[in-house]
Amino acid sequence: DTAVSQTPKYLVTQMGNDKSIKCEQNLGHDTMYWYKQDSKKFLKIMFSYNNKELIINETVPNRFSPKSPDKAHLNLHINSLELGDSAVYFCASSTQDGLFFGSGTQLSVL
Amino acid sequence: AQSVTQPDIHITVSEGASLELRCNYSYGATPYLFWYVQSPGQGLQLLLKYFSGDTLVQGIKGFEAEFKRSQSSFNLRKPSVHWSDAAEYFCAVGAAYGQNFVFGPGTRLSVLP
Repeated sequence: DTAVSQTPKYLVTQMGNDKSIKCEQNLGHDTMYWYKQDSKKFLKIMFSYNNKELIINETVPNRFSPKSPDKAHLNLHINSLELGDSAVYFCASSTQDGLFFGSGTQLSVL
Repeated sequence: AQSVTQPDIHITVSEGASLELRCNYSYGATPYLFWYVQSPGQGLQLLLKYFSGDTLVQGIKGFEAEFKRSQSSFNLRKPSVHWSDAAEYFCAVGAAYGQNFVFGPGTRLSVLP
């Protein structure tokens, strides 16, 4: 009964590859997010979608492309992966009560 | 622009001791304030939140936090720490529905047996 689930949990890949991370929430929330947590644990918002529409797009390389096929799903596709993309990526959804996070995807680019 | 500071990068306490984690914020409007906890390898779990009303809010796992508008602070407290409380704690400020959320840099809590 996981509320916000994301897959895979771990992703190890070579520089230059393209990879995707999937996220699904069964909470019925309208708004979903992608956050990036760096090695120092600093959390930064990347994207926000409300009912499948992009509402926040922070300064993120255009190699990162979110896609929301419906309001319960928000996937993150990354092209031409770079070493600096290594981080933990969190999906989240929100209500008026705050943000609810998935367990994260640890991306390691070699 | 809104910002959150957590002055303590790392705190170590003994099990059974009391705990206070500090959080200061800067926000242009009435803030929505949150504390989250992140255990190793896990996502962030909401401990408690403040929107309005009573400035002392109770959360899960025996935590509480007090909003002090005059000090722009929202400090987290627990009277008696358990070993399982060892984790990273994040303070956050934002608007309703998760909009304009800004997280602090986090405070890592270690608990000595």
